[in-house]
Amino acid sequence: DQQVKQNSPSLSVQEGRISILNCDYTNSMFDYFLWYKKYPAEGPTFLISISSIKDKNEDGRFTVFLNKSAKHLSLHIVPSQPGDSAVYFCAASPNAGNMLTFGGGTRLMVKP
Amino acid sequence: DTEVTQTPKHLVMGMTNKKSLKCEQHMGHRAMYWYKQKAKKPPELMFVYSYEKLSINESVPSRFSPECPNSSLLNLHLHALQPEDSALYLCASTERAQGNTEAFFGQGTRLTVV
Repeated sequence: DQQVKQNSPSLSVQEGRISILNCDYTNSMFDYFLWYKKYPAEGPTFLISISSIKDKNEDGRFTVFLNKSAKHLSLHIVPSQPGDSAVYFCAASPNAGNMLTFGGGTRLMVKP
Repeated sequence: DTEVTQTPKHLVMGMTNKKSLKCEQHMGHRAMYWYKQKAKKPPELMFVYSYEKLSINESVPSRFSPECPNSSLLNLHLHALQPEDSALYLCASTERAQGNTEAFFGQGTRLTVV
């Protein structure tokens, strides 16, 4: 039973365009959501997070949107750059603790 | 300094060996975690330490034995592993065990059991 799902295993976008990565969750106890970027054989690197009391959080080129009623969040990267090419994991933690449940990941390829 | 350091980066061990993975952070974080990531899968939680005490064990087999000697160090002792235990082992830390805060991950140890 996957509590956090990323339904698109891969996404290809042109440099300079917007990348939109999606994530769905089922557990109502999750109240903090994070996006991580990961290269092969390396640890995840934290990108941006959002608390369940917000619906949007922005940090430079990265914006995360949360729709609590739909149990859906998305990461927007604008403009996309070739260096953004990596696997992106959505993760969620419950209000009881900071342990993370990860989605399956989306491989983003940004073409020059 | 937002660094979590894991050693070794790579480890090959036989099924009868005993080895240890090490993790260190100097951010003053009071919660530390072990995650396991198999190929083409997301990381999965194994253990949580809060204030140097084991608070969560996600039904991990006893051939994996965690240890937290002090607030900066986290070890994972390995004994009698199976080839299916081959994976990337990730250590992470958070400022505290509860309350919304991001986890910082180490580079991981790529473990191969032969």
